[in-house]
Amino acid sequence: ELQLVESGGGLVQPGGSLRLSCAASGFTFSSYTLHWVRQVPGKGLEFVSGISRTVGRTYYADTVKDRFTISRDNSQSTLYLQMGSLRAEDTAVYYCVRSDRDFYAFDIWGRGTTVTVSS
Amino acid sequence: DIVMTQSPDSLAVSLGERATINCKSSQSVLYTSNNKNYLAWYQHKSGQPPKLLIYWASTRESGVPDRFSGSGSGTDFTLTISSLQAEDAAVYYCQQYYTTPPYTFGQGTKLEIK
Repeated sequence: ELQLVESGGGLVQPGGSLRLSCAASGFTFSSYTLHWVRQVPGKGLEFVSGISRTVGRTYYADTVKDRFTISRDNSQSTLYLQMGSLRAEDTAVYYCVRSDRDFYAFDIWGRGTTVTVSS
Repeated sequence: DIVMTQSPDSLAVSLGERATINCKSSQSVLYTSNNKNYLAWYQHKSGQPPKLLIYWASTRESGVPDRFSGSGSGTDFTLTISSLQAEDAAVYYCQQYYTTPPYTFGQGTKLEIK
């Protein structure tokens, strides 16, 4: 079964850091582009970051650029999102998402992990 | 960034009736080299992850019922549910994946059963 399972969410103080993980199974992880998409409570979907299947190409929404870092470990079939300088507005459900490659639709979504930034 | 604007923000439709959701992009998402519109539709039910329904503006994802269809080109797109079923109540999003990220989403349209 194709599956993406996020972990690492939780409560963190403003200015703090958190690392999200996404474990993939059921497909050849290294062959796909992976992304993080978030949903702020009561709001819509927002693209956060993506990393190509090819080495080195990463991209970020302006709202998280220079604060978040996406990475992947193909040997462990795991995607990461290192989040720093967290703000209240980063509070959201974070989804791990797959696409065939860059500039393709998002075909597999994880169930999400919740990040709450609050003092 | 390309701005995606959906209309309406919400609608209520009776079972068995047609539901139509519109999506407009601030610039064309048609790539003329391959004649593909880089536009997708997703269904999002509460407590579940979003689900891909339509990609390339009109190609139905595997397993999606054929009552769901997508149309349009360039900047104007439509998601149509031909005969609404109870399980179709959800929030629907369009998304462009034409530009280098962010791959922007519309604000969402909440579909309720009347």
